Amino acid sequence: QVQLQESGPGLVKPSQTLSLTCTVSGGSISSRGYYWSWIRQHPGKGLEWIGYISYSGNTYYNPSLKSRVTISPDTSKDQFSLKLSSVTAADTAVYYCARAGSSWYFDYWGQGTLVTVSS
Amino acid sequence: EVVMTQSPATLSVSPGERATLSCRASQSVSSNLAWYQQKPGQAPRLLIYGASTRAAGIPARFSGSGSGTEFTLTISTLQSEDFAIYYCQQYNDWRTFGQGTKVEIK
Repeated sequence: QVQLQESGPGLVKPSQTLSLTCTVSGGSISSRGYYWSWIRQHPGKGLEWIGYISYSGNTYYNPSLKSRVTISPDTSKDQFSLKLSSVTAADTAVYYCARAGSSWYFDYWGQGTLVTVSS
Repeated sequence: EVVMTQSPATLSVSPGERATLSCRASQSVSSNLAWYQQKPGQAPRLLIYGASTRAAGIPARFSGSGSGTEFTLTISTLQSEDFAIYYCQQYNDWRTFGQGTKVEIK
């Protein structure tokens, strides 16, 4: 059974960089055919896909966030990380990591972590 | 970007009744559509993929239909644990979600 768990600071100051890590257990981020995503949900709102890193290390980002987002892997720990720079209050959200296969629906999700941007 | 529009925003249903949720895409997404259930404080859970295939462990009372731009999620006999928010997601042209339909107790 694949499990994902987000970790990182729950409070980030405006203009700083939000950094989160997703730890995968029961599977490997290098397993062929899987794509590891970050998705966020603003309070009381819908879901926004941020971007992914593939099993081979390729990345793709939502164009609306592309200039501020970096997703990177740590294959030795089966972790992948999200960095979102120059944050504002509009980046306050619950951040989820999730897995998708080659068909691109998300079959496993982390529990989510709330990140608040505030001074 | 493919815009996904769900209706209604809120659906009030009595336990034991049928619930029908709609999802419309701004352009064809073929059958590349998934449905998720989200309860308060929890992550979304995959219910349906490929527009009509139930994910592992999902009860048969959940069914999906449609293709192209019009999709439906039907819950045949609502149980107490089914009151939640439901999201559709297309994965034909990158990945976008609908804004959700809240199924509440009538």
